[in-house]
Amino acid sequence: KNEVEQSPQNLTAQEGEFITINCSYSVGISALHWLQQHPGGGIVSLFMLSSGKKKHGRLIATINIQEKHSSLHITASHPRDSAVYICAVTEGAQKLVFGQGTRLTINP
Amino acid sequence: SQTIHQWPATLVQPVGSPLSLECTVEGTSNPNLYWYRQAAGRGLQLLFYSVGIGQISSEVPQNLSASRPQDRQFILSSKKLLLSDSGFYLCAWSRGNDYGYTFGSGTRLTVV
Repeated sequence: KNEVEQSPQNLTAQEGEFITINCSYSVGISALHWLQQHPGGGIVSLFMLSSGKKKHGRLIATINIQEKHSSLHITASHPRDSAVYICAVTEGAQKLVFGQGTRLTINP
Repeated sequence: SQTIHQWPATLVQPVGSPLSLECTVEGTSNPNLYWYRQAAGRGLQLLFYSVGIGQISSEVPQNLSASRPQDRQFILSSKKLLLSDSGFYLCAWSRGNDYGYTFGSGTRLTVV
């Protein structure tokens, strides 16, 4: 079974800082997902990627299949980016395996 | 466009009472459907998934069951709730492994 580990578990930064959240997994996957969970609990899918890099606005996600590692970057961070960011992998059979999440707080 | 509806948003139920949470998807057909739970302070855990009507796969043995009576309807049930059933329940859908997931807004269940 895949083990998904995220780091850091908690991250506090000042508005405008460049943010990096890391995710490592133990077994080969078909896709990796980055999700955002807001304080109310709702989850939004940010990215799904199986290779390379994707960018959406101030968010960038990269994945290195050989190293079994992905990073989520946020440029020019803003207090509204404060949320829990969750890495999840699809290893087959229609299932997601989740990391524990990274709680990000951006102070104004 | 595709949307997913989950209700209720919050629920407080006594121990031993039954449970029924409903999730429906609009704008797509034959979706893969999922129920996840997030216990307090813990990560998301897959409870059930379904790739078609009447097809239910259970990931974790527990006090809960799931049913898919219609293509775009997924129901999570319990006959008798336990305190340990408290948590945040999320429904989600996907077209398959090569596609992203869309999550419902969640149900916060407190068993008292």
